[in-house]
Amino acid sequence: AQRVTQPEKLLSVFKGAPVELKCNYSYSGSPELFWYVQYSRQRLQLLLRHISRESIKGFTADLNKGETSFHLKKPFAQEEDSAMYYCALRDTSGGSYIPTFGRGTSLIVHP
Amino acid sequence: NAGVTQTPKFRILKIGQSMTLQCAQDMNHNYMYWYRQDPGMGLKLIYYSVGAGITDKGEVPNGYNVSRSTTEDFPLRLELAAPSQTSVYFCASSYDLAGGHPEYEQYFGPGTRLTVT
Repeated sequence: AQRVTQPEKLLSVFKGAPVELKCNYSYSGSPELFWYVQYSRQRLQLLLRHISRESIKGFTADLNKGETSFHLKKPFAQEEDSAMYYCALRDTSGGSYIPTFGRGTSLIVHP
Repeated sequence: NAGVTQTPKFRILKIGQSMTLQCAQDMNHNYMYWYRQDPGMGLKLIYYSVGAGITDKGEVPNGYNVSRSTTEDFPLRLELAAPSQTSVYFCASSYDLAGGHPEYEQYFGPGTRLTVT
């Protein structure tokens, strides 16, 4: 069964500091991985997906199949980055294609 | 496009009462989902649907029922509400093709905050 682990419930940094939100997964096939973000009082929205290899709002995430990780990184955190971040893995093995979410990491960026 | 809409935004139920959480999407998505979000527990999948007339259980289906009579609507029914069902409920939708879809993305509703006392 697929599993997504976000080991940190809370990550607290100061503005301008580097940020790394960890995501590890277990999955036997070829995974599709995503990061979703939920700002205060807003709905969840897609931040980025590994297949696009894009940088959104200064965030990047690299899929490391050897370490089964998809950590989210930003070199200089901003106060507006404070939010809840969810890592998600989608089953692409020919089954239901239903994603599995991690428990989320709350990022707080202090001024 | 309104995207994914949910009603009500808030609701307080007494133990044993029933209610239906409404969810609708206007993007012609074939997949729809219901999640509950509990503090520190992330998103748990309750039920999902891959198309009109087809529903399936997720990780935490007990105490809930769903139906999908149209592509647009995916209501979640709570029968005999219990305090353990106090949570924030999110509906989501996506468009997916057999074999996967490279532009896959889930679109979420604003959520319904439910308290059972």
